[in-house]
Amino acid sequence: DQQVKQNSPSLSVQEGRISILNCDYTNSMFDYFLWYKKYPAEGPTFLISISSIKDKNEDGRFTVFLNKSAKHLSLHIVPSQPGDSAVYFCAASSGTYKYIFGTGTRLKVLA
Amino acid sequence: DTAVSQTPKYLVTQMGNDKSIKCEQNLGHDTMYWYKQDSKKFLKIMFSYNNKELIINETVPNRFSPKSPDKAHLNLHINSLELGDSAVYFCASSPTGSYSPLHFGNGTRLTVT
Repeated sequence: DQQVKQNSPSLSVQEGRISILNCDYTNSMFDYFLWYKKYPAEGPTFLISISSIKDKNEDGRFTVFLNKSAKHLSLHIVPSQPGDSAVYFCAASSGTYKYIFGTGTRLKVLA
Repeated sequence: DTAVSQTPKYLVTQMGNDKSIKCEQNLGHDTMYWYKQDSKKFLKIMFSYNNKELIINETVPNRFSPKSPDKAHLNLHINSLELGDSAVYFCASSPTGSYSPLHFGNGTRLTVT
C-alpha cells in the first residue's frame, strides 16, 4: 500500500523553463512533507519542506505547494538549470519517526 | 567533514554469509535510520533509533539486526544473506524524529551472489 505516489517516472524540461514535479498522498495524518534530490551513487539531499499549516514554502528557485484537500503537493523549480537534472523524491511524515517516500521522478533539464 | 558516512560503499558477497554496514553521523542528531532502496528504486524505512533506543522496526526479517552503540553510530548486521537482500542501503539522521529533515549518507550497494 503505497501512501506516497509520484505518478510521473520522468520529466524533461528546457533550461530556463519551469519544472513542476507532483506528488500525491493518501494518509490524511501526514502533516510534514519534504522534497529530496538524488544524484547517481549519492544519497538523497534535502531540498525543501512544508508543514501542513502552510500551503506554500519558497527557498530560492524552489517552491513547494501543498493542497491538503486534494492530498497533493508539487515542487516548482524556476528557472530550471542543467544541474537540476536528478531524481526527485517527495516524502511525508505524521511526526512518528517514520518518513514515507515516493518512488521518485527523474528530471532531465535540457540545455 | 562528512555529515553522515557509511562504510563500505560497495559490498559483494555470497548467499549465506554474514555482513555488517557501519554508519556514523557527526551532526549531533538524536535520531538515526536505515532505509533500503530496492531494484524498483523505492526507498523504504527499515529501522529508526532515537538516542540508542529502537523506535521503529518496519517488519524487517530477523536476519537484520541494527545496533546503536551510541547516538552517533547505527550499524546494520545481516545474517544468512539472501539474493533478495541485494539493494542499496542508506543510513540517515535527523535532529529529532519528527518535523525535521533527514540527512542521508551516500549509501552502501550490497550485491548478493
